[in-house]
Amino acid sequence: SQTIHQWPATLVQPVGSPLSLECTVEGTSNPNLYWYRQAAGRGLQLLFYSVGIGQISSEVPQNLSASRPQDRQFILSSKKLLLSDSGFYLCAWSALDDNQPQHFGDGTRLSIL
Amino acid sequence: EDQVTQSPEALRLQEGESSSLNCSYTVSGLRGLFWYRQDPGKGPEFLFTLYSAGEEKEKERLKATLTKKESFLHITAPKPEDSATYLCAPLVDRKLIWGLGTSLTVNP
Repeated sequence: SQTIHQWPATLVQPVGSPLSLECTVEGTSNPNLYWYRQAAGRGLQLLFYSVGIGQISSEVPQNLSASRPQDRQFILSSKKLLLSDSGFYLCAWSALDDNQPQHFGDGTRLSIL
Repeated sequence: EDQVTQSPEALRLQEGESSSLNCSYTVSGLRGLFWYRQDPGKGPEFLFTLYSAGEEKEKERLKATLTKKESFLHITAPKPEDSATYLCAPLVDRKLIWGLGTSLTVNP
């Protein structure tokens, strides 16, 4: 069966510090991968998605970036965090075929001080 | 503009008291509609996919239905463990359009 791992579960970072969140998927090949942010009282906001190694689409202009160095690894990064980057970050995968459901990790709660 | 509205925002039920959650959508080119359950501090958990109007899916106490403009999640004889936020998301052009969810509390 497929599993998705996301870490860390909780992170507290000072303003201006760098960020690296990692997500890996097991039990499937060539998945579509997604990064979302969920702010309190707001819906899930799609940040990035990837249909293959090195292929990244950005949905929202911001100081975050994403990379996919391996087929089942997806990384969310920032060079300098802003207060507004606080939130709940979720990684998800779906099968490469169109119209398939997305499956989520347990998220990272990021607090910027 | 693609829009999704879920109602009610919050719902409190007694154990065994059946009810329905609504997901109304206005989108162009619906490819499917997904229902998820989200527990506090966790990622959404996939429940159902509905692909065409008239389709129904069931899982334990939950049944999801779809029309051309809305979807319903019916909860029959809920238990306290059904307490969670329920999210719906139409799929448009390979992207999910997320509602804000219905927060369901089931009291024993």
